[in-house]
Amino acid sequence: AQSVAQPEDQVNVAEGNPLTVKCTYSVSGNPYLFWYVQYPNRGLQFLLKYITGDNLVKGSYGFEAEFNKSQTSFHLKKPSALVSDSALYFCAVSSGEGDDKIIFGKGTRLHILP
Amino acid sequence: DVKVTQSSRYLVKRTGEKVFLECVQDMDHENMFWYRQDPGLGLRLIYFSYDVKMKEKGDIPEGYSVSREKKERFSLILESASTNQTSMYLCASSLKPGPGSREQYFGPGTRLTVT
Repeated sequence: AQSVAQPEDQVNVAEGNPLTVKCTYSVSGNPYLFWYVQYPNRGLQFLLKYITGDNLVKGSYGFEAEFNKSQTSFHLKKPSALVSDSALYFCAVSSGEGDDKIIFGKGTRLHILP
Repeated sequence: DVKVTQSSRYLVKRTGEKVFLECVQDMDHENMFWYRQDPGLGLRLIYFSYDVKMKEKGDIPEGYSVSREKKERFSLILESASTNQTSMYLCASSLKPGPGSREQYFGPGTRLTVT
């Protein structure tokens, strides 16, 4: 069965510092991995995805994520945090074996401190 | 840009009422999904649909039903609303799987309160 773990409920980072939001996954076969962001009272917005190819994936708003197959991780990163990055972030995984469903993690709330 | 719209942003209903939540997408996506989002529980899949008139149960279908009569529209129905169905409801759509096409696009959500 597919699963996603986001080990941190909340991450606090000072503005201008690099940020990392952690994600590990379990899936049979090759994974499709995603990051989404949710601002208050809004739906989820797609940030980036890993399907195949380079392990470092670049996405919207300066975010990137690193796929690590041996550690089954897909951590979200940004070199310099902005206050406007404060939001709820979801990691998600889909199996590459025909199932259209995506399994979401429980989310990590990111606070960027001015 | 993909646009997914939901009929209401906020809704207040009484226990026992029948509730309809509507979702429309304008990008000719085959797949549509209904989730509920609760603090600490993340997103949980209620129902999804791969095509018109087709539906599949998700992880928490009890107390809900769905209808997909047209490709662009996917309705979630609470047959008899209960207070434990108070939640944020999110609709999403996606293309049929192919290289790079699995990401889902979400509507703004409907915050339903059942009193």
